[in-house]
Amino acid sequence: AQKITQTQPGMFVQEKEAVTLDCTYDTSDPSYGLFWYKQPSSGEMIFLIYQGSYDQQNATEGRYSLNFQKARKSANLVISASQLGDSAMYFCAMREGWGAQKLVFGQGTRLTINP
Amino acid sequence: DTAVSQTPKYLVTQMGNDKSIKCEQNLGHDTMYWYKQDSKKFLKIMFSYNNKELIINETVPNRFSPKSPDKAHLNLHINSLELGDSAVYFCASSQDQGRTGELFFGEGSRLTVL
Repeated sequence: AQKITQTQPGMFVQEKEAVTLDCTYDTSDPSYGLFWYKQPSSGEMIFLIYQGSYDQQNATEGRYSLNFQKARKSANLVISASQLGDSAMYFCAMREGWGAQKLVFGQGTRLTINP
Repeated sequence: DTAVSQTPKYLVTQMGNDKSIKCEQNLGHDTMYWYKQDSKKFLKIMFSYNNKELIINETVPNRFSPKSPDKAHLNLHINSLELGDSAVYFCASSQDQGRTGELFFGEGSRLTVL
């Protein structure tokens, strides 16, 4: 069974608009972490934001925020005021448990920002 | 000063050959990983080492042999390369004492098997 699901293979957004990238997850472990990574066309994987399962507030990092809805098992990434440089693949990932555990990645969403 | 560096960045080789990819991290992390990203961009873990000990082996063919001489290095050797091995291989590291356990990735090594 898929642990991380990203249902949007591609998204097109106008520059300066906000965009929401969807991510749902599946786990029975009460302790887990959720991550978003950006992969531009140059290929590197860039960590964006993290949400722990016990965190009371939604994580924010600059223009990135994570809309964490625990009961729905969703962890959507919101990018405010999108920029051309935001065009990239975006991956949602989950770690179950604590410590040195593997990250399981979703299929990714290709975001294209139009001028 | 690159945190996780892997070499080579590009590899083009013939089927049946043996090749190695090297990875080094200077972050002082305890755990290192190899991930494979296929042509559809799907990222899947292959191996994980913690302080030189293998802790995750995700049913990877035994043509793939990781080696960790010390906790700062994790190399990947692939024997008898097949067409399906063509992919981007990412090395990563994490600090298991940290709160988040986020992975720090290298730039990737693109392997093309002809």
